[in-house]
Amino acid sequence: KAGVTQTPRYLIKTRGQQVTLSCSPISGHRSVSWYQQTPGQGLQFLFEYFSETQRNKGNFPGRFSGRQFSNSRSEMNVSTLELGDSALYLCASSLGGGEGGYTFGSGTRLTVV
Amino acid sequence: DQQVKQNSPSLSVQEGRISILNCDYTNSMFDYFLWYKKYPAEGPTFLISISSIKDKNEDGRFTVFLNKSAKHLSLHIVPSQPGDSAVYFCAVYGGRYSTLTFGKGTMLLVSP
Repeated sequence: KAGVTQTPRYLIKTRGQQVTLSCSPISGHRSVSWYQQTPGQGLQFLFEYFSETQRNKGNFPGRFSGRQFSNSRSEMNVSTLELGDSALYLCASSLGGGEGGYTFGSGTRLTVV
Repeated sequence: DQQVKQNSPSLSVQEGRISILNCDYTNSMFDYFLWYKKYPAEGPTFLISISSIKDKNEDGRFTVFLNKSAKHLSLHIVPSQPGDSAVYFCAVYGGRYSTLTFGKGTMLLVSP
């Protein structure tokens, strides 16, 4: 079965712009979580969507937002980009539980210049 | 405050020897403890997990140990192979509406 698909793979944006990243989960998975990976900080949780509702939210500013569509595909938006937003953004899908069922995509590498 | 700590940023091991990766956590309410492996430019891949009601789980060369009294988790890889060289993340999950919380990772280098 197809894995988790994230688009685009690479993105370069200018400070102050906004960006939208996309994630298509594994078919049948209703939960999509987003993580930010930066050097030295590991994977930091952004938010989780389950059946089109935000179920959990991490400690990130309001410039980071997301949504999930009825087909479980999810988008993440970052407005007013800052240099510090440069990171690998990872999306993970699961059936809804955490006991190992998270499958990650390959990520979107965002560079803010 | 970090709920999951991996205090060793890196570990070097010779091929054939045992690799031991460690992880400490703060909350005794977590239900599951997991290890993920990550190569550069790829997403993390699930490796092995253990439920809070167990103290050991094995899968081939990989064994995870859970010491609940010490709030400590470890991953043993025996024997280590060069292809095991990657960043290993420990993660915890707890509660019905919980999320997967990761440590900062340990980079393992297995040399031939």
